[in-house]
Amino acid sequence: NAGVTQTPKFRVLKTGQSMTLLCAQDMNHEYMYWYRQDPGMGLRLIHYSVGEGTTAKGEVPDGYNVSRLKKQNFLLGLESAAPSQTSVYFCASSYSPSGGLYNEQFFGPGTRLTVL
Amino acid sequence: GENVEQHPSTLSVQEGDSAVIKCTYSDSASNYFPWYKQELGKRPQLIIDIRSNVGEKKDQRIAVTLNKTAKHFSLHITETQPEDSAVYFCAASLRGGNKLTFGTGTQLKVEL
Repeated sequence: NAGVTQTPKFRVLKTGQSMTLLCAQDMNHEYMYWYRQDPGMGLRLIHYSVGEGTTAKGEVPDGYNVSRLKKQNFLLGLESAAPSQTSVYFCASSYSPSGGLYNEQFFGPGTRLTVL
Repeated sequence: GENVEQHPSTLSVQEGDSAVIKCTYSDSASNYFPWYKQELGKRPQLIIDIRSNVGEKKDQRIAVTLNKTAKHFSLHITETQPEDSAVYFCAASLRGGNKLTFGTGTQLKVEL
């Protein structure tokens, strides 16, 4: 099992450019998440999905869009990149909790994005 | 929404000493509190977690305590080793692990 993978690993964009980050998981997890990590600010939730075809906003959703067309993939899009979006982006997935179960989030290796 | 505060932001200990990291949360309905370890340049990985119906949990050299009344929880690492050097994040969730709110992290350095 590859677990959670992310592409690309690094990317440099100019202000105003667009790009899509891809997250894939092979653990048959229902839930998937996108976080950004900035120095001194921990991990902040951008968007998440509770299943194929569903998405929801997290703590810092502005400037990002997401799609979950297939259960194993979760895409994060930046339509018009800004320097404030320079960050390390982590994708994560977890099994759908039910009946009070608690579930670990498994993280991908991260994508380092720089917006000039 | 939930707010998680974490202290200290940096912690330096001598090898063999104990390390304690503390977190407070704001929403009394939170019911799941995981701790993640992130080594330099790597992904966060779960090291221990605790549910709201438990006051303490241990796993070898690491332990977590939860005080629901005071709304705080702590990570304890005993007999620290150089490989414990990393950034540690606490988190809280209302929904058993989903929609985690993370603390801002503690850089732990274990010195020889």
